[in-house]
Amino acid sequence: NAGVTQTPKFRVLKTGQSMTLLCAQDMNHEYMYWYRQDPGMGLRLIHYSVGEGTTAKGEVPDGYNVSRLKKQNFLLGLESAAPSQTSVYFCASSYSKTSTDTQYFGPGTRLTVL
Amino acid sequence: AQTVTQSQPEMSVQEAETVTLSCTYDTSESDYYLFWYKQPPSRQMILVIRQEAYKQQNATENRFSVNFQKAAKSFSLKISDSQLGDAAMYFCAYRSATAGANSKLTFGKGITLSVRP
Repeated sequence: NAGVTQTPKFRVLKTGQSMTLLCAQDMNHEYMYWYRQDPGMGLRLIHYSVGEGTTAKGEVPDGYNVSRLKKQNFLLGLESAAPSQTSVYFCASSYSKTSTDTQYFGPGTRLTVL
Repeated sequence: AQTVTQSQPEMSVQEAETVTLSCTYDTSESDYYLFWYKQPPSRQMILVIRQEAYKQQNATENRFSVNFQKAAKSFSLKISDSQLGDAAMYFCAYRSATAGANSKLTFGKGITLSVRP
């Protein structure tokens, strides 16, 4: 049982390049989330999904797209990377709408856009 | 919209002593959940403790306990018998319990705790 995993752990991009971050969970969770963490800002929600085939915008969605084609995977895409997207990205998952449920986090991906 | 405020960016504690980390939040909801997450240098986000707003009793988990003051919208974390491994960034987070809510977390900006040997 690996929990929540993220691929890759580190990445350096040039401005304008595209990439996809992969999040995978093996806990059969319904809900999945993408956050970004910037110094002095805490974690901010980018996009989230409440089930396979569904996605929704979070607090800071601009410049990102997501897809949830399979229940266990949640992909975060950057179509044209910008230096402002330099950040640490965290994926999280939780089981259901029950608010007592814990969000489990992946180890993070450090992305640098030059 | 809900907001979470952690006004102290850094704190330091002597090993074996007790330290309290502060958190305030703003919400118009009556039913919600509050969390403290720990982020060590490894970057992994680890749940430390959670509190249901409808419970009057403060949550405890071993050396970690909270002081939840609903009327004051305050949610502080007390770490007793501090250990070197407690050194980390700590985030306070809010989650709505409203039916139909997406259960997303709203985080504070975090506080860096250092432990002096």
